[in-house]
Amino acid sequence: QQQVKQSPQSLIVQKGGISIINCAYENTAFDYFPWYQQFPGKGPALLIAIRPDVSEKKEGRFTISFNKSAKQFSLHIMDSQPGDSATYFCAASMASGNQFYFGTGTSLTVIP
Amino acid sequence: ETGVTQSPTHLIKTRGQQVTLRCSSQSGHNTVSWYQQALGQGPQFIFQYYREEENGRGNFPPRFSGLQFPNYSSELNVNALELDDSALYLCASSPAGRAYNYGYTFGSGTRLTVV
Repeated sequence: QQQVKQSPQSLIVQKGGISIINCAYENTAFDYFPWYQQFPGKGPALLIAIRPDVSEKKEGRFTISFNKSAKQFSLHIMDSQPGDSATYFCAASMASGNQFYFGTGTSLTVIP
Repeated sequence: ETGVTQSPTHLIKTRGQQVTLRCSSQSGHNTVSWYQQALGQGPQFIFQYYREEENGRGNFPPRFSGLQFPNYSSELNVNALELDDSALYLCASSPAGRAYNYGYTFGSGTRLTVV
């Protein structure tokens, strides 16, 4: 059973546009939600993370929006650049656990 | 500050064989977790090591085993390889007993192909 559901599977955005990737979860014990960026041949790299006590977190062009009641969170990439082309994974974990549950990934392509 | 290093980068094995993958954690990180990433999928948790002991395990059979050494480096061993074991194996380190507060630093992975 997929603990974290991610959509879309792939995304094509024009340079300068906004990329939006969505994730949903069921387990209300989750309380840490990171996003990872993965380039081909590399391991995932932590991009930005949020806890459910805030509804939004922004770091540069990357913003996480969090809706606790809907059990959904999303990554927004503003002013998308070709260098942002990568696979993005959402994930979730809980204080009582020791693993991260990853979504299935979104392949983002930003075309010049 | 060095990151997480994994070896080898690529490996081809025959079904039924055994394999050992190695990982050196990031400086200052005492916890190592292993993940399996099948093609087109997100990473799946195999197990975590903290203070040289297994500290949690995902839904993987006992033929997946591991070790952590006093210098925090780690090994993942897989016995009786099956075709479905073909995947990218990722090692991740974190600076505390749990990655909860800090997230992971991942290595670039070992691409295992079982034929």
